[in-house]
Amino acid sequence: GDSVTQMEGPVTLSEEAFLTINCTYTATGYPSLFWYVQYPGEGLQLLLKATKADDKGSNKGFEATYRKETTSFHLEKGSVQVSDSAVYFCALFNQGGSEKLVFGKGTKLTVNP
Amino acid sequence: EPEVTQTPSHQVTQMGQEVILRCVPISNHLYFYWYRQILGQKVEFLVSFYNNEISEKSEIFDDQFSVERPDGSNFTLKIRSTKLEDSAMYFCASSVQGSDSPLHFGNGTRLTVT
Repeated sequence: GDSVTQMEGPVTLSEEAFLTINCTYTATGYPSLFWYVQYPGEGLQLLLKATKADDKGSNKGFEATYRKETTSFHLEKGSVQVSDSAVYFCALFNQGGSEKLVFGKGTKLTVNP
Repeated sequence: EPEVTQTPSHQVTQMGQEVILRCVPISNHLYFYWYRQILGQKVEFLVSFYNNEISEKSEIFDDQFSVERPDGSNFTLKIRSTKLEDSAMYFCASSVQGSDSPLHFGNGTRLTVT
């Protein structure tokens, strides 16, 4: 079945450091790919998405590129802030009758001043 | 901005008891979901609900689970006879057009079964 694998956390960075959170997926067909973020005490919210190969999703300085050849959707940000501290979830949606999002385990990011 | 609200934020119950987790989705959304996350594990899909009926359910969603939209605003998840392994964070979500459109999640209900 479809699955998502994220790098294990937690990740701790200093402010202004470069961030990469790796995500790879296994799926049949051509899934849509997402990054969701969960800030402390809040629900998950969509950060960015990409629907086809080579698409780049971006939002709030975060970017991720849909790489079909490596089945990856790594999240990057050039300069993190303390306010980026959160749990980040990679997910896929595979059209073809199913309504479910398939999530990774989540990666907790802590950014220190 | 409208949001999905879940109550209670934390529920403690004894094994074998029934629990009802409540959610108020965003008012113009048509698709409703429950997901759960056992501590340290992945967020797992439980069930989707559209047009007043279940549209999809996972293998986790057995006869102990049920969902209802009793009054056009609330969306509830009932667990009839809780087990220790039901302890998890339960997330309600809603969307306008299904899972390819943004899902809006509530803050979750942490269920602890003792």
